[in-house]
Amino acid sequence: DSGVTQTPKHLITATGQRVTLRCSPRSGDLSVYWYQQSLDQGLQFLIQYYNGEERAKGNILERFSAQQFPDLHSELNLSSLELGDSALYFCASSLRLADTQYFGPGTRLTVL
Amino acid sequence: AQTVTQSQPEMSVQEAETVTLSCTYDTSESDYYLFWYKQPPSRQMILVIRQEAYKQQNATENRFSVNFQKAAKSFSLKISDSQLGDAAMYFCAYRSHLLANFGNEKLTFGTGTRLTIIP
Repeated sequence: DSGVTQTPKHLITATGQRVTLRCSPRSGDLSVYWYQQSLDQGLQFLIQYYNGEERAKGNILERFSAQQFPDLHSELNLSSLELGDSALYFCASSLRLADTQYFGPGTRLTVL
Repeated sequence: AQTVTQSQPEMSVQEAETVTLSCTYDTSESDYYLFWYKQPPSRQMILVIRQEAYKQQNATENRFSVNFQKAAKSFSLKISDSQLGDAAMYFCAYRSHLLANFGNEKLTFGTGTRLTIIP
């Protein structure tokens, strides 16, 4: 158990819908990262927050957004869902920017 | 941009034997970190080992060790005394050093190697 929690574990929804994935970092970790793992794209970095501020963006679609709250938990919002958004979404956290990232168990999103 | 290549999509090894997984990377940076993560059927991403590029000594964690060849940009993982619980996807990952590339702490992953342990 890495100490990073993600909810829900599984999510099944329809095209065009909007969902929110939640991540609680390890206690004390300031940095949160979101990654997407899909069959065709592999593991890709989406976005990073550090102490409440957005720090870096990767291959994140405009339909996707995220935020980190004062208690340091983070949410990833996915809207206007398409079939191709079906993937495993991971959250990772690290204590400081240079520290090792520890991953949560992931949220499996299925878009029908 | 940095890239990570794992040229072995699948590997298999007899239980108790030794296996080496390959990883190469491309970067123009001199300071960086390299990682091996394990993803078992549960899908959890588990850190196996970490190597800092400025350290000459190869990292070791129990039965797991790496062969880091900086000039060749090679970072292989050796698993000794393979156990059934080692069966998983293994991902090699690269991360820039904080001071070398400010604002770029993301991990760049290879495509993974699926390791099967034969009883």
